[in-house]
Amino acid sequence: GAGVSQSPRYKVAKRGQDVALRCDPISGHVSLFWYQQALGQGPEFLTYFQNEAQLDKSGLPSDRFFAERPEGSVSTLKIQRTQQEDSAVYLCASSLQGQGAGTQYFGPGTRLTVL
Amino acid sequence: AQSVTQLDSQVPVFEEAPVELRCNYSSSVSVYLFWYVQYPNQGLQLLLKYLSGSTLVKGINGFEAEFNKSQTSFHLRKPSVHISDTAEYFCAVSAPDSSASKIIFGSGTRLSIRP
Repeated sequence: GAGVSQSPRYKVAKRGQDVALRCDPISGHVSLFWYQQALGQGPEFLTYFQNEAQLDKSGLPSDRFFAERPEGSVSTLKIQRTQQEDSAVYLCASSLQGQGAGTQYFGPGTRLTVL
Repeated sequence: AQSVTQLDSQVPVFEEAPVELRCNYSSSVSVYLFWYVQYPNQGLQLLLKYLSGSTLVKGINGFEAEFNKSQTSFHLRKPSVHISDTAEYFCAVSAPDSSASKIIFGSGTRLSIRP
């Protein structure tokens, strides 16, 4: 498809488990973003890649969160030792440009539930 | 730093009635402004954006928004709503000069349309 895809769409984890969430951006898009959306809230920025370089990770809530984009395309967000407060929808977005004016196209998200 | 305030968490309106969703922002620098829509179980979709120039911005699905710098507002309007407009609407801001290009979202306004 032509849009941003994310997998899995739903993930249930027991507290303490590690999870990996995948994002396939639109082909050719330079920038890739991860956001966390808690229930009833707006998305909150986690981290940003320009190609394979992680230029901003100021939104990652703890060192249990790690993101990578090794070849400048697919990205993985990994959460280690999941906690209940990690339950949220994780959104990925990609943009053709690396500047603020570029439209960010969002994927459908991965809903993570930590029991 | 930028911030966004959406003054109404829920807005109920009757079908074919006009609607205004309010948004105020705070920033010490010039900004780009966005409205995104999120339909149930779907990702965010860009409705419209203000970058510069004309303060009245027209978007998809008959929506428009007006940038008011003196009031630091970017309210979203539609003259006649349809049942299909039922969704969550997010106002957002980014800083043009930021290398991070991250978007700061408001907490959202749930628009519910009554027949």
